[in-house]
Amino acid sequence: GIQVEQSPPDLILQEGANSTLRCNFSDSVNNLQWFHQNPWGQLINLFYIPSGTKQNGRLSATTVATERYSLLYISSSQTTDSGVYFCAVDLGYGGATNKLIFGTGTLLAVQP
Amino acid sequence: NAGVTQTPKFRILKIGQSMTLQCTQDMNHNYMYWYRQDPGMGLKLIYYSVGAGITDKGEVPNGYNVSRSTTEDFPLRLELAAPSQTSVYFCASRPSGANVLTFGAGSRLTVL
Repeated sequence: GIQVEQSPPDLILQEGANSTLRCNFSDSVNNLQWFHQNPWGQLINLFYIPSGTKQNGRLSATTVATERYSLLYISSSQTTDSGVYFCAVDLGYGGATNKLIFGTGTLLAVQP
Repeated sequence: NAGVTQTPKFRILKIGQSMTLQCTQDMNHNYMYWYRQDPGMGLKLIYYSVGAGITDKGEVPNGYNVSRSTTEDFPLRLELAAPSQTSVYFCASRPSGANVLTFGAGSRLTVL
């Protein structure tokens, strides 16, 4: 089956620093999403980004589908950015999100 | 609008006991999913449903059963609980034609 690998596994930042999280996947996909899981366990979708670049405030994401990777950029990090960041891919056709395969995540700790 | 509601939030079971994790959504979403998250890992899909009366297996269905008699409810049944089923369980939903999942807050299950 498809493999989804994220790096780095852990990251510690000082507040205000920038960071880049990476997601590599082993097969062609037509759907890729980034999620944030806060320290209380709640999962929030950040981006649906099968290709191209999107930005939302201090966060942006870029997926290069032909090279099978995606990057999540966090700028001017804040303590509230702490948590685990997951990427997830879907092999379904037509963008159907029926079977998301999750990576193992990047644990981010932002220190004040 | 409560979103996706899971009950119970916490439960301890003895080996061999059975229980049902409840999931309800009030957004009229057709698609519903059950995931499990083991410590330090990403989420793995257990079962999913594309509408009332239709369910299908995900990556890790063994030891679980589901039903979908209404659009709103998607209960997950654990039969003969085993320590390997100790995990956090997440229910999620999405409407047809959309790719972004809305997750519940999770149910933490411990089997001793």
